[in-house]
Amino acid sequence: GQQLNQSPQSMFIQEGEDVSMNCTSSSIFNTWLWYKQDPGEGPVLLIALYKAGELTSNGRLTAQFGITRKDSFLNISASIPSDVGIYFCAGQRGETSGSRLTFGEGTQLTVNP
Amino acid sequence: GAVVSQHPSWVICKSGTSVKIECRSLDFQATTMFWYRQFPKQSLMLMATSNEGSKATYEQGVEKDKFLINHASLTLSTLTVTSAHPEDSSFYICSAAWVVNEQFFGPGTRLTVL
Repeated sequence: GQQLNQSPQSMFIQEGEDVSMNCTSSSIFNTWLWYKQDPGEGPVLLIALYKAGELTSNGRLTAQFGITRKDSFLNISASIPSDVGIYFCAGQRGETSGSRLTFGEGTQLTVNP
Repeated sequence: GAVVSQHPSWVICKSGTSVKIECRSLDFQATTMFWYRQFPKQSLMLMATSNEGSKATYEQGVEKDKFLINHASLTLSTLTVTSAHPEDSSFYICSAAWVVNEQFFGPGTRLTVL
């Protein structure tokens, strides 16, 4: 099935550094979501974006819903070791509970203490 | 709130046997449940969408006779991998959604077929 283009695939950073990752799509989504997945676990929702242009923060995390509705980015400021994991973007077209998610390929983040 | 559980968390089976995985929404009634498969170092791929009391909708390329989905109640969906083979070894994750447009994910089930 269709996947979103997520970059970078992996990042190796020092503790305290800021991180940025993004997702692009050839088609429009009405909702953009960012998840974090730890090894052997299911994804956990970090931030949900519902409106084009929306900029939302959750602690050290900030995400934006692109104006064209075809892209989104996630920033993590002042990274800490527990930020390690795989980050996925996901797009959703519909507005009902049955609306499927399309996932990006993921960004593997490694934080060196 | 909005907790989803899966059972078992891991299972090892012999080739040719069938394996059933349960997905439960513990504190809400899920109108829709989704089943995903994730291979190592890859993203989540949607296998099927199921609504309580009706047949599941499978994604292209997913064999409905091999991956049987039952969604008998608003809090339980099951995925049965029939006649499992080593290539079916994967991480299977369910999610559940109710009236709001958010999916809550289970912790996943690691299936290893020998």
